[in-house]
Amino acid sequence: AQSVSQHNHHVILSEAASLELGCNYSYGGTVNLFWYVQYPGQHLQLLLKYFSGDPLVKGIKGFEAEFIKSKFSFNLRKPSVQWSDTAEYFCAVNAPLRQNFVFGPGTRLSVLP
Amino acid sequence: DADVTQTPRNRITKTGKRIMLECSQTKGHDRMYWYRQDPGLGLRLIYYSFDVKDINKGEISDGYSVSRQAQAKFSLSLESAIPNQTALYFCATSDAGARGYTFGSGTRLTVV
Repeated sequence: AQSVSQHNHHVILSEAASLELGCNYSYGGTVNLFWYVQYPGQHLQLLLKYFSGDPLVKGIKGFEAEFIKSKFSFNLRKPSVQWSDTAEYFCAVNAPLRQNFVFGPGTRLSVLP
Repeated sequence: DADVTQTPRNRITKTGKRIMLECSQTKGHDRMYWYRQDPGLGLRLIYYSFDVKDINKGEISDGYSVSRQAQAKFSLSLESAIPNQTALYFCATSDAGARGYTFGSGTRLTVV
């Protein structure tokens, strides 16, 4: 069965620090990969997604993620975080022929002003 | 108007009561899903439906039932609510290619 792990439960950074959130998945076949963000009190919104092609994917709000197939990883990065990036971040995996997405447990990011 | 609308936004109910959470969408998507979110556990799939005549159990369907009344409507019922069903519930939709979800705003359910 597919599973998704996220390395950190809670990350605390100061504004302007660089961010990297880890995501690893277990599935041997072709996958689609996603990062979602959930701002406090809101629903999940898509940050970026990878289906194929260039393994470095750029999303909204300055986020990017790199797919490394050999490591089964899809880490999220941002060079300089802002207080408004405080949120919970979820990695998700979907195998193209499967019915549903599998989500990681989430990483809570707190950015201190 | 939101693409995926959930009602109610918040609900407090007593143990043993029946409660229905509703979801409607204007995306025209065939696929609809119900997830629950608990701290530290991420999102777990309760039920999903690929069309009006297709209903499937997810990983945590016990204690829940669903109804797909139309392509645009997918409701989740708790027949006899219990306190460990206190959670944030999300409805989501996707197209047939499943290339991304659109989420509703969530229903925060508290069972006392």
